[in-house]
Amino acid sequence: EPEVTQTPSHQVTQMGQEVILRCVPISNHLYFYWYRQILGQKVEFLVSFYNNEISEKSEIFDDQFSVERPDGSNFTLKIRSTKLEDSAMYFCASSENRLHEQYFGPGTRLTVT
Amino acid sequence: QQQVKQSPQSLIVQKGGISIINCAYENTAFDYFPWYQQFPGKGPALLIAIRPDVSEKKEGRFTISFNKSAKQFSLHIMDSQPGDSATYFCAARNDRGSTLGRLYFGRGTQLTVWP
Repeated sequence: EPEVTQTPSHQVTQMGQEVILRCVPISNHLYFYWYRQILGQKVEFLVSFYNNEISEKSEIFDDQFSVERPDGSNFTLKIRSTKLEDSAMYFCASSENRLHEQYFGPGTRLTVT
Repeated sequence: QQQVKQSPQSLIVQKGGISIINCAYENTAFDYFPWYQQFPGKGPALLIAIRPDVSEKKEGRFTISFNKSAKQFSLHIMDSQPGDSATYFCAARNDRGSTLGRLYFGRGTQLTVWP
């Protein structure tokens, strides 16, 4: 069964450093999403991406964040200058279209020290 | 603003019992209500979903009950099994608006089923 994959599974970085989280969505999916989950809290929407551009972003997704689909398979989330409060589990998701089920990857645990 | 409120935060049920998790929403534009199941170290996986044109949907041991007037929906797990022990999230989405697929999640319920 096709699945969303994410790398790395765990990333430790120092405050102020840039990190790139990588995702490979399911191959025939057209809509891509990033969500995050701070430990013990709910899953929160960050951004949606369709047709090579951001469709919607939440108030969390400020200028420190960017997304990119650099080739036909990868979808990345970049955090330019990490802060302690960016420590969270980051989930990538994809769907065939916006009305369909979103399939989530296993997540990348980001720890900012 | 908390768009989707979920309770209880944690739930302990004996094997064979019924697990009930409740959610309430505020935005009447929501028209898709999924439940996700998450095991440790994994991403959320869709369990079952409902649209407001029906009041109940059943898939195996899992049932969603939906009350449009009260803006509430709940997940019932019949004959709960230890393998059901996981975190359950309710969510909501507006499929007719300008937001392209954004899911609003509840805070999650940690379900433990004792053997």
